[in-house]
Amino acid sequence: DIQMTQSPSSLSASVGDRVTITCRASQSISTYLNWYQQKPGKAPKLVIYTSSTLQNGVPSRFTGSGSGTDFALTISSLQPEDFATYYCQQSYSFPLTFGGGTKVEIK
Amino acid sequence: QVQLQESGPGLVKPSQTLSLTCTVSGGSISSADYYWSWIRQPPGKGLEWIGFFYHSGGSYYNPSLKSRLTISGDTSKNQFSLKLISVTAADTAMYYCARLIPGDFADKWFDPWGQGSLVTVSS
Repeated sequence: DIQMTQSPSSLSASVGDRVTITCRASQSISTYLNWYQQKPGKAPKLVIYTSSTLQNGVPSRFTGSGSGTDFALTISSLQPEDFATYYCQQSYSFPLTFGGGTKVEIK
Repeated sequence: QVQLQESGPGLVKPSQTLSLTCTVSGGSISSADYYWSWIRQPPGKGLEWIGFFYHSGGSYYNPSLKSRLTISGDTSKNQFSLKLISVTAADTAMYYCARLIPGDFADKWFDPWGQGSLVTVSS
């Protein structure tokens, strides 16, 4: 199985901050990497697919980058509604696997 | 707009069978364009892909659960179901159904997700 490791596991930031979350795959996965946002008590929601493609309706302050084993999700100016847990997910091979999550909290 | 809704018992006894159904509206599980998936999340923990059903009636499972798992579809009701046998406390989780969208080559992403169904395994 491909292991997905996210860092940090949690971070504290203020509204307006630029925030970057990283995800590392245990082997090369090309650009087959997706990002989800999960708010407390809610289902995950797709934010970015294929490493850098913004899902319809997601604000442009979210950007994804990376290929191979190293990926990043950046929020250019953190908004109150962005405080959530973010998960990466690889689709390069089965079983599909997720990272452990990064919780973005209010400072 | 496709919507998914999970349903099923919230409490299952150890060694028994966990059964959940996902009802799809706004789209058809008979579509050859998508796969219909289950994902679970133990309380306070991360996400685990369980498996999916696809239009021809086939299914694909996470090897870690394969020996206990069946995912099937009922096109007449536009529903797909999960059955997990011989459950233990480790199977306690929020269970989500989701549409898995295949892109080019290995590209696949989950969208949308159902709201989730919490299943507790306890005597």
